[in-house]
Amino acid sequence: QVQLVQSGSELKKPGASVKVSCKASGYTFTSYAMNWVRQAPGQGLEWMGWINTNTGNPTYAQGFTGRFVFSLDTSVSTAYLQISSLKAEDTAVYYCARGDCSSTSCPPDYWGQGTLVTVSS
Amino acid sequence: AIRMTQSPSSFSASTGDRVTITCRASQGISSYLAWYQQKPGKAPKLLIYAASTLQSGVPSRFSGSGSGTDFTLTISCLQSEDFATYYCQQYYSLQTFGQGTKLEIK
Repeated sequence: QVQLVQSGSELKKPGASVKVSCKASGYTFTSYAMNWVRQAPGQGLEWMGWINTNTGNPTYAQGFTGRFVFSLDTSVSTAYLQISSLKAEDTAVYYCARGDCSSTSCPPDYWGQGTLVTVSS
Repeated sequence: AIRMTQSPSSFSASTGDRVTITCRASQGISSYLAWYQQKPGKAPKLLIYAASTLQSGVPSRFSGSGSGTDFTLTISCLQSEDFATYYCQQYYSLQTFGQGTKLEIK
């Protein structure tokens, strides 16, 4: 069965960096897009962008350029989200979510359990 | 970027009620519209895609309709497990979520 398992919660200080992992299983990793979604405390879902798991090419939504980097290690079927120069407003749950095809033209159908990143001094 | 606006933002209903949530896109998105359900502390769950296609395993009391800019999610007979927050999402041009509709017990 399809599973996306994310790394555990992180507590970071402002200015630090964090790397969240998302390990996929139960399907061919490079055949489906991987999306990243943010949810700040008590707020709605924000689509951050996606990475083409076949080419490694990332696309970032408005507001998620510069400090956010999507990457892959296809040898272990894992996607990564790295955030640098962390700010308090980056405090949120971050989800990886598999797109039901190889591009953004299909909705995420399987989701990781979420990783809470807390930024606090 | 395409903006998605849901209404209402929240409302109360009773078990057994028929409820409808509306989602409007800032420009035409054909039928590239999905609906998700999210419960507190959990990841979103895909309910409907392509505006009206029920995801496998989702109860038939959920239905979706619309195309272009206006869409609806209908729950025909509310069950206790349906009280949650619902999001629409367009995937016509990149992806965007609506702000969510919180459905509470009356």
